[in-house]
Amino acid sequence: ETGVTQSPTHLIKTRGQQVTLRCSSQSGHNTVSWYQQALGQGPQFIFQYYREEENGRGNFPPRFSGLQFPNYSSELNVNALELDDSALYLCASSSDRGSTGELFFGEGSRLTVL
Amino acid sequence: DQQVKQNSPSLSVQEGRISILNCDYTNSMFDYFLWYKKYPAEGPTFLISISSIKDKNEDGRFTVFLNKSAKHLSLHIVPSQPGDSAVYFCAADNAGNMLTFGGGTRLMVKP
Repeated sequence: ETGVTQSPTHLIKTRGQQVTLRCSSQSGHNTVSWYQQALGQGPQFIFQYYREEENGRGNFPPRFSGLQFPNYSSELNVNALELDDSALYLCASSSDRGSTGELFFGEGSRLTVL
Repeated sequence: DQQVKQNSPSLSVQEGRISILNCDYTNSMFDYFLWYKKYPAEGPTFLISISSIKDKNEDGRFTVFLNKSAKHLSLHIVPSQPGDSAVYFCAADNAGNMLTFGGGTRLMVKP
């Protein structure tokens, strides 16, 4: 069973640039969520995708966008990067949109914005 | 507005003793609560959960207690082991796996 994998693991960008982070879901999972974890804080929900449609969104501006592909892999795109976007971005997959159960997290992509 | 709060940023416990991690929430619509554990350079891993219709759930050394009237839950680890040293996150759900996390408690279990 393949777990959740994310790439890249680390990256550095400058303010105003755009970034794309990638996630490969755990085998058999059709729902993917993205979370932002700032230093010293808990993860914050960005959005969730189910069968290629955005299924829910947290309190993040539209410059945070995502995609889910037919193979259930996913991308998080952030435009016009700001210094406060520096954080660990976590992808999590689960087996069903509506059921309440555990999420399987990847190791994260650490983004530094200079 | 923090809907899920973990007021103790850190906790130190002797090996073999009980660890008690606390979590408070404000949103009465939350109907499912989870605990995750996170080691450095790894993603959070699921530990244990509890539905709002229960007040206790046990899994081996881990027990979660829920007090709905107080909007409070706690995680008990007995006996604590050095390998339990990690950051523990409390999380709450009311919308299908869109979790609201607390800020975390760093547990250190001393040998």
